[in-house]
Amino acid sequence: DVKVTQSSRYLVKRTGEKVFLECVQDMDHENMFWYRQDPGLGLRLIYFSYDVKMKEKGDIPEGYSVSREKKERFSLILESASTNQTSMYLCASSFSSIRTDTQYFGPGTRLTVL
Amino acid sequence: AQKVTQAQTEISVVEKEDVTLDCVYETRDTTYYLFWYKQPPSGELVFLIRRNSFDEQNEISGRYSWNFQKSTSSFNFTITASQVVDSAVYFCALSEAGGGGADGLTFGKGTHLIIQP
Repeated sequence: DVKVTQSSRYLVKRTGEKVFLECVQDMDHENMFWYRQDPGLGLRLIYFSYDVKMKEKGDIPEGYSVSREKKERFSLILESASTNQTSMYLCASSFSSIRTDTQYFGPGTRLTVL
Repeated sequence: AQKVTQAQTEISVVEKEDVTLDCVYETRDTTYYLFWYKQPPSGELVFLIRRNSFDEQNEISGRYSWNFQKSTSSFNFTITASQVVDSAVYFCALSEAGGGGADGLTFGKGTHLIIQP
């Protein structure tokens, strides 16, 4: 079974703090993704990575950065958290670099920025 | 640009009823894939099915079935004899094989399915 884990299920941070969300997959997948999920808006892609040290912007990258130093780990960074970044963050991975490969998701991190 | 529409925001049925969740998509690509995911209250998205644009055969998996019709750009999902454990938010998603842009999935806004005992 594919296993994607995220470091925290719930996180509360203050405005201006630097926030790290960690994601780890154990199936040697090439691609990793970060989405955010908001009521009424569905899931939106923030960033993705198709290889170590590689990253590509998604649909809403503003206010975020990412890091992929090892194949199995993909971090989402909020340099200076703001209240409009309160959301559910979902990490996903897929086996190959084929665009249409199935993505497998982690349990999500619900982030609240006060 | 691709788009996925799930017009049903919320559906509530009584246990054992059949229920169909609608999904309509837009794409200019001739090669694409469609997906359904289930999100139970725990939050994790669970993969249900992946179907490519060249395979219009309907799929059945236990109580779940999917009806793919290219003529109407729809990929509908039916649960037969629904159970309380089917209560979740269901997402339809699209991925195009070609073109530029991000490699992520394009999701519909989801349908919240409530199965009442």
